[in-house]
Amino acid sequence: DIQMTQSPFTLSASVGDSVTITCRASQSVSTWVAWYQQKPGKAPKVLIYKASSLESGVPSRFSGSGSGTEFTLTISSLQPDDFATYYCQQYNRAPYSFGQGTNLEIK
Amino acid sequence: QVQLVESGGGVVPPGRSLRLSCAASGFSFTSYALHWVRQAPGKGLEWVAVISYDGRNNYYADSVKGRFTISRDNSKNTLFLQMNSLSTGDTAVYYCARAGDVYGFSYWFDPWGQGSLVTVSS
Repeated sequence: DIQMTQSPFTLSASVGDSVTITCRASQSVSTWVAWYQQKPGKAPKVLIYKASSLESGVPSRFSGSGSGTEFTLTISSLQPDDFATYYCQQYNRAPYSFGQGTNLEIK
Repeated sequence: QVQLVESGGGVVPPGRSLRLSCAASGFSFTSYALHWVRQAPGKGLEWVAVISYDGRNNYYADSVKGRFTISRDNSKNTLFLQMNSLSTGDTAVYYCARAGDVYGFSYWFDPWGQGSLVTVSS
């Protein structure tokens, strides 16, 4: 099974900051990685798929990069609506594992 | 618009069974694989199971294999999760989610339903 190790667990930042979240796969998953945003009491929402493709309707301040085993999600110029929990996920093959999540909180 | 709506959650004693449903609308149901994902209270996301667009193939997480069964009724645009021999560790919000593109398994999950809470407690 493929393990996804996400860091950091918690991230404190201010409105206007740029932040980066990292995800490492235990073996190569090519570019079959997605990033999701989840707010309390709500279902996750996809932001990025295929490592770097921006989902329709998602602001361009969100970007993804990486291939193989190392992936990053960058949020530039943080907005108040961006404070949430973020998950990476590999969908190269089942079981389709998620990272542990990163809680992005207001500093 | 594309929509997934789960139902069937509730409180159930350990060892009992429960069946979740996920009603789909707004897209060609018979063209997409569908997943179940769960989230224990205060915890992260755990993938549970997937079923192919035609219902012929499925995969399960080791944690539920042999106890849970995923199925679909393509005539009623509905996905199911039959959960047997439930334990307290199965307590979670259960989400259904559609594959991000047609026919295959290996796509991102989009969209997700709103979730259905299953509580296993005596």
